[in-house]
Amino acid sequence: EAGVAQSPRYKIIEKRQSVAFWCNPISGHATLYWYQQILGQGPKLLIQFQNNGVVDDSQLPKDRFSAERLKGVDSTLKIQPAKLEDSAVYLCASSFLGYGEKLFFGSGTQLSVL
Amino acid sequence: EDKVVQSPLSLVVHEGDTVTLNCSYEVTNFRSLLWYKQEKKAPTFLFMLTSSGIEKKSGRLSSILDKKELFSILNITATQTGDSAVYLCAVEGSGDDMRFGAGTRLTVKP
Repeated sequence: EAGVAQSPRYKIIEKRQSVAFWCNPISGHATLYWYQQILGQGPKLLIQFQNNGVVDDSQLPKDRFSAERLKGVDSTLKIQPAKLEDSAVYLCASSFLGYGEKLFFGSGTQLSVL
Repeated sequence: EDKVVQSPLSLVVHEGDTVTLNCSYEVTNFRSLLWYKQEKKAPTFLFMLTSSGIEKKSGRLSSILDKKELFSILNITATQTGDSAVYLCAVEGSGDDMRFGAGTRLTVKP
């Protein structure tokens, strides 16, 4: 089965610029997650979707981050404007149900903000 | 607030050694604890534990959960250089989201 697809793999931008990441989950997976992983830390959940509805976005910095999952399949995460502290790997994951099961992760997007 | 703490943060061993990685947690309405291996970017699933005292085993890796003392251990026997990675512990609570620890970076030297 195809895995979770993410693009781009790498992105370098200057602070105050905008950036967008794309994720296509495993077919049939209702739940999609965006995690931020800063170097040396564990992944931190930014937002969780169940189909096209938001389940949890309590840790999403909503003044600069936005995410959508139109049609309940693929998703985009946007940062506008970016700050230096946004430099991290952004991981997308999906699962079939959303609870009591493992997550399948994409290869991530490494963002460097200069 | 929910918390997942892993120890040690890093560990350097030689091939053939046995290692034990620790994960302690404080989570509201615990559902499950999962271990992942992260070699480059994408964490890959190792084990999911929901019941105390039942060991999960896969080759040289094994893990067990203690729900009374709120911790889990991941054992790796006869380590190989290919075991070098960051090992992440994640706990799922009542909110259905998965909270990760900071990870243990394992380096296995030849």
